[in-house]
Amino acid sequence: GAGVSQTPSNKVTEKGKYVELRCDPISGHTALYWYRQSLGQGPEFLIYFQGTGAADDSGLPNDRFFAVRPEGSVSTLKIQRTERGDSAVYLCASSPRVSGELFFGEGSRLTVL
Amino acid sequence: GEDVEQSLFLSVREGDSSVINCTYTDSSSTYLYWYKQEPGAGLQLLTYIFSNMDMKQDQRLTVLLNKKDKHLSLRIADTQTGDSAIYFCAERGQAGTALIFGKGTTLSVSS
Repeated sequence: GAGVSQTPSNKVTEKGKYVELRCDPISGHTALYWYRQSLGQGPEFLIYFQGTGAADDSGLPNDRFFAVRPEGSVSTLKIQRTERGDSAVYLCASSPRVSGELFFGEGSRLTVL
Repeated sequence: GEDVEQSLFLSVREGDSSVINCTYTDSSSTYLYWYKQEPGAGLQLLTYIFSNMDMKQDQRLTVLLNKKDKHLSLRIADTQTGDSAIYFCAERGQAGTALIFGKGTTLSVSS
């Protein structure tokens, strides 16, 4: 597609469950970023990939969060043992190069009951 | 650490100019950005400025950068109701680092 695509757009889960959020970046974009946006807040950096490798994962809040990008295109953000505090909109962005502008998807809204 | 601060709300009348302000702490910032977020939508890049510039104009948008004071502003001329949204300031530090965002300024435009 023409833009960054994120699925699912909405996910409701119970506390303690495992969730996966998927991001399809713009074709050819080498850099991919995950952010988390809570209500009334700006996007908070989680992790970014350059190609297949995580170039900076310093924003991941704890070891329940993990992300992969095995073929350098699609990325999956994985959250284990979800907690109510994980409820937020998870935003993915891609960029044609490391210091280029970011193009954002519409986000995946995660609600943990 | 790095921090980006913005005022939370701005209310203007249609046709007036809007000025949204932002301060940042990272003196090594290379690029500074303004993003717009409409309800239920993703972030859309409005404009950006390189740190060695002090002004950039793009149609109704004017960005001013005071690097000494680490202050960035976005001026929207002839503000329209369609400009109502949340505006985020963001900075990029050294090459290869992610963008750091402020909390956003909610712009409300009344007719």
